[in-house]
Amino acid sequence: KQEVTQIPAALSVPEGENLVLNCSFTDSAIYNLQWFRQDPGKGLTSLLLIQSSQREQTSGRLNASLDKSSGRSTLYIAASQPGDSATYLCAVWETSGSRLTFGEGTQLTVNP
Amino acid sequence: DAGVIQSPRHEVTEMGQEVTLRCKPISGHNSLFWYRQTMMRGLELLIYFNNNVPIDDSGMPEDRFSAKMPNASFSTLKIQPSEPRDSAVYFCASRIGRGGTGELFFGEGSRLTVL
Repeated sequence: KQEVTQIPAALSVPEGENLVLNCSFTDSAIYNLQWFRQDPGKGLTSLLLIQSSQREQTSGRLNASLDKSSGRSTLYIAASQPGDSATYLCAVWETSGSRLTFGEGTQLTVNP
Repeated sequence: DAGVIQSPRHEVTEMGQEVTLRCKPISGHNSLFWYRQTMMRGLELLIYFNNNVPIDDSGMPEDRFSAKMPNASFSTLKIQPSEPRDSAVYFCASRIGRGGTGELFFGEGSRLTVL
């Protein structure tokens, strides 16, 4: 059974700092990996989707990398802003394509 | 693009009552998912439809839960009878394609409280 772990569970940084969120998964036979953001009381917003054949994806200040062989992904946020404060969730699609397994998330606080 | 639309956003009901949650996926998306989120268990997949057909319902907790997708633009999740332990946020999500090739988009969720 696929298990997804996110470290750290919570992170507090000053505004402007570059930061890295980590995600690991136990079964490397994944179809792709998706990073989401969730604000309190809101739904999940898709940030980046990395296909299994890709190594990284970039969107603005966000960069996500994927190393399937080691079962790891990182989300890099450059020049963090208070508006980046949210919970960030990593999720992996299993090869069947029907099951998306989520990590428990990293709660990020960016202090002005 | 309106995104995935869910209703109601909030529902408070008493134990034993029937609850129906509704979802309109993004137009053109042919896969639809129902998830449940709680503090204790995180996000759990309840059921997955592809082209309106249920593909994986192994996450449906018990017979009190049922889901339908009568057409490509509408799905319901029904709980009958509801119990306090069903209190959670229920999310609907949709994407294009089968096989994990498409990005998954979530609705804002329906927050259910069963007293």
